Amino acid sequence: DTEVTQTPKHLVMGMTNKKSLKCEQHMGHRAMYWYKQKAKKPPELMFVYSYEKLSINESVPSRFSPECPNSSLLNLHLHALQPEDSALYLCASSLTWGAGGYTFGSGTRLTVV
Amino acid sequence: ELKVEQNPLFLSMQEGKNYTIYCNYSTTSDRLYWYRQDPGKSLESLFVLLSNGAVKQEGRLMASLDTKARLSTLHITAAVHDLSATYFCAVGLLFQGGSEKLVFGKGMKLTVNP
Repeated sequence: DTEVTQTPKHLVMGMTNKKSLKCEQHMGHRAMYWYKQKAKKPPELMFVYSYEKLSINESVPSRFSPECPNSSLLNLHLHALQPEDSALYLCASSLTWGAGGYTFGSGTRLTVV
Repeated sequence: ELKVEQNPLFLSMQEGKNYTIYCNYSTTSDRLYWYRQDPGKSLESLFVLLSNGAVKQEGRLMASLDTKARLSTLHITAAVHDLSATYFCAVGLLFQGGSEKLVFGKGMKLTVNP
């Protein structure tokens, strides 16, 4: 299995909703990432879990909350989002850092209404 | 703050032609990645360049890295329509806890015309 699987593929949520994005890989990778990509922009790192230890890109607001239940699973919990949070959310994984490259999932396209 | 600049940002070229695109970055790194993205899709890994002088080729694409000049190039040979996409370069930087973060250039939108 050489894939990173993300669910759901599309999500529409209201500003008062709570939802979660899910990501799964079975390649034995020990680092997993959340990137955010706004339309016609490059991806930007939000969070890294490396050996299940969290690192946060300091500009990410607290309405985004990551969780790593084990080395194969990564969640992103969403609460009280704003319309400007609408974007493509990409999960990625790598062995540790990117020596073998990064594998990106197909993404979740999130729309906040 | 690391800056990653791609040049050009838009390229329209004819099938069969060759072209080189450039990726410059502002701080020391020997980790450079190239990705392809089709509209509405995720990122497809093209090349991983991890040392000065690294050169990799796959099909009609060849990438190289000069860490002293802080420059990577992506050369397109005999372009075909299927290469039309957005191409990102990304520099790997050490991040917290020994992890790495990718800092992406703005991307180059390539259109190959028949």
